[in-house]
Amino acid sequence: GQQVMQIPQYQHVQEGEDFTTYCNSSTTLSNIQWYKQRPGGHPVFLIQLVKSGEVKKQKRLTFQFGEAKKNSSLHITATQTTDVGTYFCAGNTGKLIFGQGTTLQVKP
Amino acid sequence: SAVISQKPSRDICQRGTSLTIQCQVDSQVTMMFWYRQQPGQSLTLIATANQGSEATYESGFVIDKFPISRPNLTFSTLTVSNMSPEDSSIYLCSGMTDKETQYFGPGTRLLVL
Repeated sequence: GQQVMQIPQYQHVQEGEDFTTYCNSSTTLSNIQWYKQRPGGHPVFLIQLVKSGEVKKQKRLTFQFGEAKKNSSLHITATQTTDVGTYFCAGNTGKLIFGQGTTLQVKP
Repeated sequence: SAVISQKPSRDICQRGTSLTIQCQVDSQVTMMFWYRQQPGQSLTLIATANQGSEATYESGFVIDKFPISRPNLTFSTLTVSNMSPEDSSIYLCSGMTDKETQYFGPGTRLLVL
């Protein structure tokens, strides 16, 4: 069936270091969405990417959608302790298929 | 963004009983969904709640176990029936806007003893 793979599963970084999580879909997506879930919280919508090759920025966060609309990445520059949480990508093929998530820990 | 509320926020239930979770969304939402999330895991789609008709269930989920209602555009319920400890999880309601972005409710934390 349709799958969205996300790596890495966990990432520990020192505050100030960069962080990247990658998503890869087995099928072409109409769009991809990214969510952040803080410990004990619920997924919070961050952004939606629709166009092939699209790049969007939100302050220190950069989101990319691949040319084939099958992969995506989220890059955080100069991480802060407030970035801690699990980041999920979700591919839209008519319904959202969530990746496994990448849990980010930031050491102050 | 859409505003979505859920209740109860948490519950502890005895095996064999049923629990109904309510979800209220604001008018920006066109579609509603129910997800389950085990601790430390990703989200698994249970079903799409269809207004005025039977929900569309994903593989592994059945109506007898997870009956869903959506009597109008902005309200839906999920019932977890004949519960067992394996049903302990977080149940999340979500709504999709006409721009196909999904917003999640705060979730219902269910513990079955």
